[in-house]
Amino acid sequence: AQSVTQLGSHVSVSEGALVLLRCNYSSSVPPYLFWYVQYPNQGLQLLLKYTTGATLVKGINGFEAEFKKSETSFHLTKPSAHMSDAAEYFCAVSDQGSGGSNYKLTFGKGTLLTVNP
Amino acid sequence: KAGVTQTPRYLIKTRGQQVTLSCSPISGHRSVSWYQQTPGQGLQFLFEYFSETQRNKGNFPGRFSGRQFSNSRSEMNVSTLELGDSALYLCASSLVRLGHYEQYFGPGTRLTVT
Repeated sequence: AQSVTQLGSHVSVSEGALVLLRCNYSSSVPPYLFWYVQYPNQGLQLLLKYTTGATLVKGINGFEAEFKKSETSFHLTKPSAHMSDAAEYFCAVSDQGSGGSNYKLTFGKGTLLTVNP
Repeated sequence: KAGVTQTPRYLIKTRGQQVTLSCSPISGHRSVSWYQQTPGQGLQFLFEYFSETQRNKGNFPGRFSGRQFSNSRSEMNVSTLELGDSALYLCASSLVRLGHYEQYFGPGTRLTVT
């Protein structure tokens, strides 16, 4: 069974500081990995994804993440936090289903990011 | 291109009633998945439909059911509502094509059971 662990349910940074949100996964097969962001009273917005190829992936709003197989990690970073980044962030994993048949996402518990002025 | 739409956005029901939620996927997307989000359990997978067939199901009781229509629109139904069913129900659609495995989420339906 797959699982996702997000270290830190709440992360607080100052505006302009580095953002680092941690995600570790467990999967018996090569995973597809995703980061989503959720603003209050909204659905989830895809930030970035890793499927195959380059292990450093860039997403929207200046975020990027690096897939490290040896560490089973997929941490999310942004060099400089902005007030608008305050939201809840979710890491998710899915199996590489044959023919793309598996679209079941397993989510971490989420990390609430607070950005202080 | 329009995003995933869900109706209604908010719903209040009484324990024991049943409810139907609707989801319209992004045009061209043929897979629709449903998730339940609660403060205690987080985001949990309910089920996924593709070409009107349920391909995958999460660990939820039989009171939770769904279906998909030929135009890819999907509905989920919860019968005999319990207080614990209060949650944000999210629908997501996917383009079923090699290399495209991301899901795009709608704004959700906030269900309150009293």
